[in-house]
Amino acid sequence: AQKITQTQPGMFVQEKEAVTLDCTYDTSDQSYGLFWYKQPSSGEMIFLIYQGSYDEQNATEGRYSLNFQKARKSANLVISASQLGDSAMYFCAMRGSFGGGYNKLIFGAGTRLAVHP
Amino acid sequence: DAGVIQSPRHEVTEMGQEVTLRCKPISGHDYLFWYRQTMMRGLELLIYFNNNVPIDDSGMPEDRFSAKMPNASFSTLKIQPSEPRDSAVYFCASSLYGRDGYTFGSGTRLTVV
Repeated sequence: AQKITQTQPGMFVQEKEAVTLDCTYDTSDQSYGLFWYKQPSSGEMIFLIYQGSYDEQNATEGRYSLNFQKARKSANLVISASQLGDSAMYFCAMRGSFGGGYNKLIFGAGTRLAVHP
Repeated sequence: DAGVIQSPRHEVTEMGQEVTLRCKPISGHDYLFWYRQTMMRGLELLIYFNNNVPIDDSGMPEDRFSAKMPNASFSTLKIQPSEPRDSAVYFCASSLYGRDGYTFGSGTRLTVV
């Protein structure tokens, strides 16, 4: 069955350092998409980055990059030069049909990141 | 575009009452999703629609929950009767298949007392 696993309930990092948030996934779909969302304390869900299963290059969006290792079924988020405003909950998500013929988006449990000055 | 609009932002109701949550998706998006977020269970997909048609409601916890999408610009999630364990943040999201991600509304924080 399709599943997203985030094994780090909490992480902390010093300001200006890089941090990697882990995400592994399981699906039998050949075509799928991987997403990362940020949820600050205010509660909104903010889309950060997307990686398609057929994309050969790792996705990058500003300070965010996605380390996609298809054979290992991992899609780790790397945040470079952390800022205090990066403190938030981060969710990994996967889009796929999962045998149902339509696309749906499922989420991992999330990782809470704290950036320390 | 104003994004995905949910109402109300907060709802406090008494156990046994009917609760209706509303969502206006982004114009042109063909998928609409309802999620529930709790500390214990995280983000759960309750139901989703494609072109206003319910596709998968296997995440709806029980018959007390129902969702409709009468047209492309409006959806409701109804809980009748509500129970304290329904207390959660309910998110609506919409998307158009592609690379830009799914856009979430601000959520409705429901408290059932």
